[in-house]
Amino acid sequence: DAKTTQPNSMESNEEEPVHLPCNHSTISGTDYIHWYRQLPSQGPEYVIHGLTSNVNNRMASLAIAEDRKSSTLILHRATLRDAAVYYCILRDMSFGNEKLTFGTGTRLTIIP
Amino acid sequence: EAGVAQSPRYKIIEKRQSVAFWCNPISGHATLYWYQQILGQGPKLLIQFQNNGVVDDSQLPKDRFSAERLKGVDSTLKIQPAKLEDSAVYLCASSFILAGEMVDEQFFGPGTRLTVL
Repeated sequence: DAKTTQPNSMESNEEEPVHLPCNHSTISGTDYIHWYRQLPSQGPEYVIHGLTSNVNNRMASLAIAEDRKSSTLILHRATLRDAAVYYCILRDMSFGNEKLTFGTGTRLTIIP
Repeated sequence: EAGVAQSPRYKIIEKRQSVAFWCNPISGHATLYWYQQILGQGPKLLIQFQNNGVVDDSQLPKDRFSAERLKGVDSTLKIQPAKLEDSAVYLCASSFILAGEMVDEQFFGPGTRLTVL
C-alpha cells in the first residue's frame, strides 16, 4: 500500500475552519484517498473519500491536488466534538482490495 | 440502524491465559474485519472475512490467534495463550459492498480493551 505522511498533531480554535494536510507522493492511479477519524475511546469512523475531484459531504470537504500527490481534509467550522485522530489512507481498488492500512494519523485538538 | 456490536468492552487477564472476543456486524454486511490497535498507533488489520471465508489473514499471528465466522454473521477472535504484548484494543468492523461499486465504507464497533498482566 502507498504511504501517507501527516503531521502528528494540530490545534485549532473552535468555530474556525481546519485544514488537515496529507502527503502521498507515491500514489498510483488506482489509489482512492480515504479519511477516517477516531474519537476518544471509540472505533474509527468514515469521513470522506475521493479519487481525483474535490468532494464535499455533510461532515467535511476533501481537496485533492491536481497531481494527486497531496490532499487536504477541510472541516469548515470546527466544534469540540471534532477533536479526534484523523487518518489519511490510500486504498488501491484495482484488484478489489478493500484493506485499510492506518498510519499514526493527526491528533486534532480544538481550543474552546 | 444498529451499529457493530462487540463484547466484552474490557478484559483483564494474566499472561498465558486464553481470551475470546465476540463481534456482531451490521445486518447484511458480508465483509467483517478484526483490527488490533496498540496504544499510540493506528489500527492494524488482523483478518478479513467475506461471508464465512477468509480473504486476508496475512498479519494474524496464527500460533496464538484464531478467528472464525460461522454462518457468515457473528465472529469470534481468540488468543491462546496471551502475551504481554497482546495488550491492545481489538476492533471489529463490517462493510457492505454493492455489486459493481468499487469503494465501500467500513463501520467500526467500539472495541474491546484487553490488558494482559
